[in-house]
Amino acid sequence: EAAVTQSPRNKVAVTGGKVTLSCNQTNNHNNMYWYRQDTGHGLRLIHYSYGAGSTEKGDIPDGYKASRPSQENFSLILELATPSQTSVYFCASGGYPPSNSDYTFGSGTRLLVI
Amino acid sequence: QQQVRQSPQSLTVWEGGTTVLTCSYEDSTFNYFPWYQQFPGEGPALLISILSVSDKKEDGRFTTFFNKREKKLSLHIIDSQPGDSATYFCAARHTNAYKVIFGKGTHLHVLP
Repeated sequence: EAAVTQSPRNKVAVTGGKVTLSCNQTNNHNNMYWYRQDTGHGLRLIHYSYGAGSTEKGDIPDGYKASRPSQENFSLILELATPSQTSVYFCASGGYPPSNSDYTFGSGTRLLVI
Repeated sequence: QQQVRQSPQSLTVWEGGTTVLTCSYEDSTFNYFPWYQQFPGEGPALLISILSVSDKKEDGRFTTFFNKREKKLSLHIIDSQPGDSATYFCAARHTNAYKVIFGKGTHLHVLP
């Protein structure tokens, strides 16, 4: 069954430390996305990718980097984690426009930065 | 700039009642509108979607209505069930665009 798998499921990090969130998809989708979800803000796009080797800035990219080494994998990197980055992070994959294939989301990573 | 607005932010209905969620958008080039449903501890999942060439789409107890002139959508849930308690996101995009624009979501509570 096609799916989007995120790891870890939960993460506690210290301020100033490096955090890597991983995402793997078996949907054979070209596009992948990283969102964060916070109360009152809904889903906000951090970075996205059109395919292996590409990364693009979303609406709130500051403090985050992304890496897309292959079609299946897309990572979100926090080089110097801050408490303001405490959130729930979702990865999604999507088909290539102009198809109407919709996003498939992972189950999320809950990150606490202390 | 928020391009997709949802209301209400939170809603409580009784089991068996009809739930109505509304959404408005600004960009007239949007032509595809999915609704996502998210249960606690899970990622959002597609519930129902509609293209701008249609004004209504039905899937079981869920119906979405589209009004192009007013740039508004709605999601109706008939015979609401406690299992429908979730957060619902309205979204929009142009079919040639890579990005979906999400509303901030509506928290629905269905009481037994």
